[in-house]
Amino acid sequence: SQQGEEDPQALSIQEGENATMNCSYKTSINNLQWYRQNSGRGLVHLILIRSNEREKHSGRLRVTLDTSKKSSSLLITASRAADTASYFCATLRETSGSRLTFGEGTQLTVNP
Amino acid sequence: DAGITQSPRYKITETGRQVTLMCHQTWSHSYMFWYRQDLGHGLRLIYYSAAADITDKGEVPDGYVVSRSKTENFPLTLESATRSQTSVYFCASSEIRAEQYFGPGTRLTVT
Repeated sequence: SQQGEEDPQALSIQEGENATMNCSYKTSINNLQWYRQNSGRGLVHLILIRSNEREKHSGRLRVTLDTSKKSSSLLITASRAADTASYFCATLRETSGSRLTFGEGTQLTVNP
Repeated sequence: DAGITQSPRYKITETGRQVTLMCHQTWSHSYMFWYRQDLGHGLRLIYYSAAADITDKGEVPDGYVVSRSKTENFPLTLESATRSQTSVYFCASSEIRAEQYFGPGTRLTVT
């Protein structure tokens, strides 16, 4: 079963707008990670946020984590056409060693 | 070149044939993983390895075999390919409880 569920499944915005994607999960985690996948390519790691962290930034990316609600969000500010990709959250459970469980992703389209 | 590579990138095979997908990483990461990605199922873990000679099943291991005699290599073998194994396969590596680095993928078609 999928640990993480992304919302929405698809998002279409205009260049310059902000994009927000959400992820919910079910069990206690050690950390939560966000990945990007361009069409036909491998996944690329974006940000890792640990269970004792609430917010993390990397360039135009901002990730929040609310362990009480078992949810996370990824905000991309001032989006660009090159941000068009699928975005996946992945959770590392406390009991799973180093195994990640991926959600099914959000397809983001940024229109020029 | 540093990184993680997979070969072949594309493979077409017939039902019943044995196929081996190769994965090589240059970081000396302890952990290596094999996933398959299918529409409607996201990324599913097939097998993983915590170190050389240590492997374990993931979510969907049936029909697959792995080995890890060297830290840098983690081949995945389909012993008798079936059409349901048509998929895109990704290899990844990581240190313990850290971010994973993915290869470019192998697109496998079983006819």
